[in-house]
Amino acid sequence: GDQVEQSPSALSLHEGTGSALRCNFTTTMRAVQWFRKNSRGSLINLFYLASGTKENGRLKSAFDSKERYSTLHIRDAQLEDSGTYFCAADPSSNTNKVVFGTGTRLQVLP
Amino acid sequence: GPKVLQIPSHQIIDMGQMVTLNCDPVSNHLYFYWYKQILGQQMEFLVNFYNGKVMEKSKLFKDQFSVERPDGSYFTLKIQPTALEDSAVYFCASSPGFSNERLFFGHGTKLSVL
Repeated sequence: GDQVEQSPSALSLHEGTGSALRCNFTTTMRAVQWFRKNSRGSLINLFYLASGTKENGRLKSAFDSKERYSTLHIRDAQLEDSGTYFCAADPSSNTNKVVFGTGTRLQVLP
Repeated sequence: GPKVLQIPSHQIIDMGQMVTLNCDPVSNHLYFYWYKQILGQQMEFLVNFYNGKVMEKSKLFKDQFSVERPDGSYFTLKIQPTALEDSAVYFCASSPGFSNERLFFGHGTKLSVL
């Protein structure tokens, strides 16, 4: 069955506010990545986590393998944060297969 | 839920040979994509495809690359001839519509060019 459920599918924020994106996993994952799709279509790595939390500027990500979820928090949103964000995770089973969320389309409004 | 299947999961070939990577996209999706990820690097966009045509391609989509989806079967990425720098994981994705930013990804095909 589906291994990654990403929510919300779409999100609108006013500049200066914040929110969180979430990926729930149906199985234990070894690590998670968060990406942002740029204007050329490439997926830019934001975070790679095997556990715990990481912070970079206005972005913060957390990954709890035991509770089977990961979050991406955005604070003080800016117009240039608009775009589509994806999570991707490595299952703990030895399959070498990456599973993706279907994306969250973030729109930051003035 | 909808699934994108990629076949095979791992392919090993000698440099100079031809390789075809197969993708079975979600059945009612109209837009198809290939991405390339070299170990430790960003996942880079290669190409998107709609209605039998390449809509957009990146600089990474070399002349040796081609895509097609004959008669609604597999969406394929063919590399002929392969080069060592083609070693990477290739991800296929599909989407219901171009304005729909949600992409459904396959698990990836690891290509090793020797």
